[in-house]
Amino acid sequence: GEDVEQSLFLSVREGDSSVINCTYTDSSSTYLYWYKQEPGAGLQLLTYIFSNMDMKQDQRLTVLLNKKDKHLSLRIADTQTGDSAIYFCAESIEGGSYIPTFGRGTSLIVHP
Amino acid sequence: DGGITQSPKYLFRKEGQNVTLSCEQNLNHDAMYWYRQDPGQGLRLIYYSQIVNDFQKGDIAEGYSVSREKKESFPLTVTSAQKNPTAFYLCASSLPGRKETQYFGPGTRLLVL
Repeated sequence: GEDVEQSLFLSVREGDSSVINCTYTDSSSTYLYWYKQEPGAGLQLLTYIFSNMDMKQDQRLTVLLNKKDKHLSLRIADTQTGDSAIYFCAESIEGGSYIPTFGRGTSLIVHP
Repeated sequence: DGGITQSPKYLFRKEGQNVTLSCEQNLNHDAMYWYRQDPGQGLRLIYYSQIVNDFQKGDIAEGYSVSREKKESFPLTVTSAQKNPTAFYLCASSLPGRKETQYFGPGTRLLVL
């Protein structure tokens, strides 16, 4: 079955790197996504990676995928107060309906 | 400007009342979705539609109903059978297929009086 797990909170100091972790259970070929949700708003896609890739970088964001451990991480370099939000990991399964399964979200708190 | 709109931003429901949440998109997407979000929970799928005049139940469809008469519109009705409707409701749309990401609306917060 599908299950996506994330820790609920992460607190970092402004200027430090943030690393948000996610584990998933399905071993099929899959797309894995990171979404950002600011308070009272919808979700905004940040980046995605296909399961045959190990890493994807986009400006301050780096996604790392460890297929053996089914572990996905999102690293935000030089974290700013504007990065404070809830970050959702999601998985879309090959051969299924392709509707993503979402984790519970990690609340990132950036303090001065 | 293409996107997804949801209205209203806040909605109040009285006991025993049905309320309808609006979702409209002008992205020409075939698929549309409704999610419910509760504090500390992920997104739970209520209903989805992959084509006009067809829709499927998600994980928590009880107490909700939908229609898909037009490609652009996917309204959600929260019926009186839904005993705990207070939540943040998110609508999304996408093109069909595995790598097609979902685009989300701004959400509607439903509160019970």
